[in-house]
Amino acid sequence: EVQLVESGGVVVQPGGSLRLSCAASGFTFDDYTMHWVRQAPGKGLEWVSLISWDGGSTYYADSVKGRFTISRDNSKNSLYLQMNSLRTEDTALYYCAKGFLVGVFDNWGQGTLVTVSS
Amino acid sequence: EIVLTQSPATLSLSPGERATLSCGASQSVSSSYLAWYQQKPGLAPRLLIYDASSRATGIPDRFSGSGSGTDFTLTISRLEPEDFAVYYCQQYGSSSWTFGQGTKVEIK
Repeated sequence: EVQLVESGGVVVQPGGSLRLSCAASGFTFDDYTMHWVRQAPGKGLEWVSLISWDGGSTYYADSVKGRFTISRDNSKNSLYLQMNSLRTEDTALYYCAKGFLVGVFDNWGQGTLVTVSS
Repeated sequence: EIVLTQSPATLSLSPGERATLSCGASQSVSSSYLAWYQQKPGLAPRLLIYDASSRATGIPDRFSGSGSGTDFTLTISRLEPEDFAVYYCQQYGSSSWTFGQGTKVEIK
């Protein structure tokens, strides 16, 4: 059974930094593209970032480009999101998602809540 | 960036009725790279449909997807109590993946 478990979400001040983690199990992690998708409270879904199976290619939404960095450690079956220069509009539940056909999200974690507030 | 617009925002129906949800794209979605997800309160989204019309593993056949270009539809043939939820469409035809704003299917 595929399992994705996110962690690292906390309350942080505007301008601060945070690193989210996602522990994967139940599938061959280094065979798949992975994504971060977020959902602001009471709002819809927003794709944030993608990383290829080997970490060689990364893509970002314009809203986070230059501030967020996605990475992975295939030896640890783990995905990461380094978030810098955080803004109040980054407040959201952040989901880790497994990629299927690259851009389809076929398995999701339960999410980790990031709150950016002074 | 492709903007997806879902309609209606809310659909009020009774169990057993047919639900038809629409998703319109601001420009053509290449190769019908469109997916649908279901999200229930407090839970992560679940993949229902990909490539516009292919059902994901384990999805009942009362869920079907259709469409191409800029107009796509998700149909639930007969609503079951567990189908009342929010539904999102998502395009993956460009390297900036986008979602629609969602349609809430509520019990009438």
